[in-house]
Amino acid sequence: AQKITQTQPGMFVQEKEAVTLDCTYDTSDPSYGLFWYKQPSSGEMIFLIYQGSYDQQNATEGRYSLNFQKARKSANLVISASQLGDSAMYFCAMTSSNDYKLSFGAGTTVTVRA
Amino acid sequence: DAMVIQNPRYQVTQFGKPVTLSCSQTLNHNVMYWYQQKSSQAPKLLFHYYDKDFNNEADTPDNFQSRRPNTSFCFLDIRSPGLGDAAMYLCATSREEADGYTFGSGTRLTVV
Repeated sequence: AQKITQTQPGMFVQEKEAVTLDCTYDTSDPSYGLFWYKQPSSGEMIFLIYQGSYDQQNATEGRYSLNFQKARKSANLVISASQLGDSAMYFCAMTSSNDYKLSFGAGTTVTVRA
Repeated sequence: DAMVIQNPRYQVTQFGKPVTLSCSQTLNHNVMYWYQQKSSQAPKLLFHYYDKDFNNEADTPDNFQSRRPNTSFCFLDIRSPGLGDAAMYLCATSREEADGYTFGSGTRLTVV
């Protein structure tokens, strides 16, 4: 079984600063994928970034980057130059070669302050 | 644009009155999922279809049923909604390889 852990229930960040959201995972499958989603108060789940377990480089998508440390089983999300519109709930999630169902962490609420 | 569409966006139903939520997709993905998400919690998988094969999660109450009449559509039926079933219901699709999930915008269900 796969498990995702997000230990930060909520975070405050100043506008234009960077913020790191922690995510650790546990799986026995050698092949897996890690995802980050953003969920604003409207409720829709917005895909941000993906990291495959065999990818050699850390994934980046605009202001989002994923700090993938395979040996430590961590996949932290870094949001650079925070904007007010980044205020939302952020979920780390994963699938694996033996379980294609998406499993979510508990989520982290980010509040960006002006 | 190819997408996942959920209707309605907001649904109010009476306690005990059956309600159906719908999801459609234009991605031609063979897997469709229904998640329940209560306030400030992570989404919880209720069940999914792999093509026409229905897969129920072990802890999904019998009150929840699903239908997938064709590749494009999937329905969530709540036979007798209780107050505890008030939640956001998210539909998602994926290819078998599961390297990309697309979510609908969700249906927020209120039970009165």
